[in-house]
Amino acid sequence: GESVGLHLPTLSVQEGDNSIINCAYSNSASDYFIWYKQESGKGPQFIIDIRSNMDKRQGQRVTVLLNKTVKHLSLQIAATQPGDSAVYFCAENGGGGNKLTFGTGTQLKVEL
Amino acid sequence: DAGVIQSPRHEVTEMGQEVTLRCKPISGHDYLFWYRQTMMRGLELLIYFNNNVPIDDSGMPEDRFSAKMPNASFSTLKIQPSEPRDSAVYFCASSSDIATNEKLFFGSGTQLSVL
Repeated sequence: GESVGLHLPTLSVQEGDNSIINCAYSNSASDYFIWYKQESGKGPQFIIDIRSNMDKRQGQRVTVLLNKTVKHLSLQIAATQPGDSAVYFCAENGGGGNKLTFGTGTQLKVEL
Repeated sequence: DAGVIQSPRHEVTEMGQEVTLRCKPISGHDYLFWYRQTMMRGLELLIYFNNNVPIDDSGMPEDRFSAKMPNASFSTLKIQPSEPRDSAVYFCASSSDIATNEKLFFGSGTQLSVL
């Protein structure tokens, strides 16, 4: 069936380096994507979103890239900090409506 | 705004007991979602409401699970009878409208352990 999946379950980076977290989605009807960050013991928090009519969107230290041709989504974090350590989820809306499907998550570990 | 408020934060119960999880969405949000998170299955949508009306409950595992939203500021997720495999973190989330770029705001979750 359709699913959202992540390539890397764990990503370790050095403090100050850039991080790239990848996500593959299979529902070609999805037109809205969101990245969430989940810290231990907390609920997921919104980071950044992008609609399918865009291929790039930037926020504060974060950039989301969307490649619809290969159904790939990535989250780039610039100058990664210890506070960025968390699990990151991508989510897609399946083509509209109000249901988000979440990927399995990537654990980001920032090493000092 | 205090955000989405869930209670209790932790619940430990014995198999066969009834469990009720509670959620207060953000004021003004028309959509309320219940998710379950486990290591094996990740975040799964159980049910969502629009203007207090259940819209899609296809994710509810079985008849032991039920959810209600008696008014715009309160929802419950009930499990009766509970089983050990129901152990998970249950999240409530609210939004104004996913279709217009509004994102989900999640509560802190209820950690449920069924012994």
